[in-house]
Amino acid sequence: DIQMTQSPSSLSASVGDRVTFTCRASQPITTYLHWYQQQPGKAPKLLIYAASILQSGVPSRFSGSGSGSDFTLTISSLQPEDFATYYCQQTYSTPYSFGQGTKLEIK
Amino acid sequence: EVQLLESGGDLIQPGGSLRLSCVASGFIFSSYDMNWVRQAPGKGLEWVSRISGSGDNTYYADSVKGRFTISRDNSKNTLYLQVNSLTVEDTAVYYCAKDHVGGTSYYGVDVWGQGTTVTVSS
Repeated sequence: DIQMTQSPSSLSASVGDRVTFTCRASQPITTYLHWYQQQPGKAPKLLIYAASILQSGVPSRFSGSGSGSDFTLTISSLQPEDFATYYCQQTYSTPYSFGQGTKLEIK
Repeated sequence: EVQLLESGGDLIQPGGSLRLSCVASGFIFSSYDMNWVRQAPGKGLEWVSRISGSGDNTYYADSVKGRFTISRDNSKNTLYLQVNSLTVEDTAVYYCAKDHVGGTSYYGVDVWGQGTTVTVSS
């Protein structure tokens, strides 16, 4: 099974900051990597799919990169609505594992 | 509008069974593989199961294999998850989620339901 490891587990930042999250797969997954945002009490929302493609309707301040085993999600200028938990997921092979999440908090 | 609406969650005793349902609308249901994902209280997301558009192929997390069964009725636009031999570790919100693009997992999942809550407790 493929293990997904996200870092950091939590991050404090301010509105306007640039932040980067990391996700590492335990084996290569090409670009079968997706990022989701989850607000408390809500279902997850797809932000980035296939490692770097911005989902329709998602603001351009979100971007993703990487291939193989190492991936990043960057928010270029934090907005108040961006404070949430972010998950990566691989769909290269079942079981389609998620990372443990990165909680983004307001500093 | 594409929508997924789960139901069937309940408070149930350890060892019990439930059938969760997810009614889909706004897209050609049979063209998309579907997934169940769960989230225990205060925890992260856990992928549970997947079924192909035709229903011929199913996949499970090791933690539920042999206890949970995913199925679908394309004539009713409905996805199911039969959950048996429940333990307290199965307590979670269960989400159904639609593949972004039909026939491939490459694009992730783009639509999620609101979730249905399963609580296993004596």
